[in-house]
Amino acid sequence: NAGVTQTPKFQVLKTGQSMTLQCAQDMNHNSMYWYRQDPGMGLRLIYYSASEGTTDKGEVPNGYNVSRLNKREFSLRLESAAPSQTSVYFCASSGPTAGNQPQHFGDGTRLSIL
Amino acid sequence: KNEVEQSPQNLTAQEGEFITINCSYSVGISALHWLQQHPGGGIVSLFMLSSGKKKHGRLIATINIQEKHSSLHITASHPRDSAVYICAARGGGSNYKLTFGKGTLLTVNP
Repeated sequence: NAGVTQTPKFQVLKTGQSMTLQCAQDMNHNSMYWYRQDPGMGLRLIYYSASEGTTDKGEVPNGYNVSRLNKREFSLRLESAAPSQTSVYFCASSGPTAGNQPQHFGDGTRLSIL
Repeated sequence: KNEVEQSPQNLTAQEGEFITINCSYSVGISALHWLQQHPGGGIVSLFMLSSGKKKHGRLIATINIQEKHSSLHITASHPRDSAVYICAARGGGSNYKLTFGKGTLLTVNP
């Protein structure tokens, strides 16, 4: 009964390093999302994937890339980390049908860029 | 772009009090979500509604489509209800992206 699993839970990087945040869901959902959460701001969409094989930019995509590896997995990559990317990152999924569905969130990844 | 505003930003209550958190949005939506986030924790979906009212235990969510307004009520509040409550609006049609409010931090004291 895992739901949405994110790894790692915590990470500290130096400016310029790269890393990939992993997300997997076991609910057969079509749609998956990556958000960042910063103090004093609402959750902001970085990228989303409406279905396997498709991805699209959200509100704050600069500095990030994503891969929808298969229906279960949706990864977020920081190619050259910057201090402005220090944040808590949440992956979410929804589905399996089209239309209004609640989003299921992972526990988050707390990322610090020094 | 939809603007989602929540009020109040912070709310402190005594155990047993009736709590109301408000959410307003600027353009028509297909659904309104209420989410809960405990300090340092993950995010849990509480309600998704497009009309009327929904109830789950001590939590009640209502929405007025004409007034573009939703409320989350907690009856007989308890310290374990202390959390950030977030509303999020989903656009109409095929736009399934959510626009989130900044959240309301609720603290319930024993």
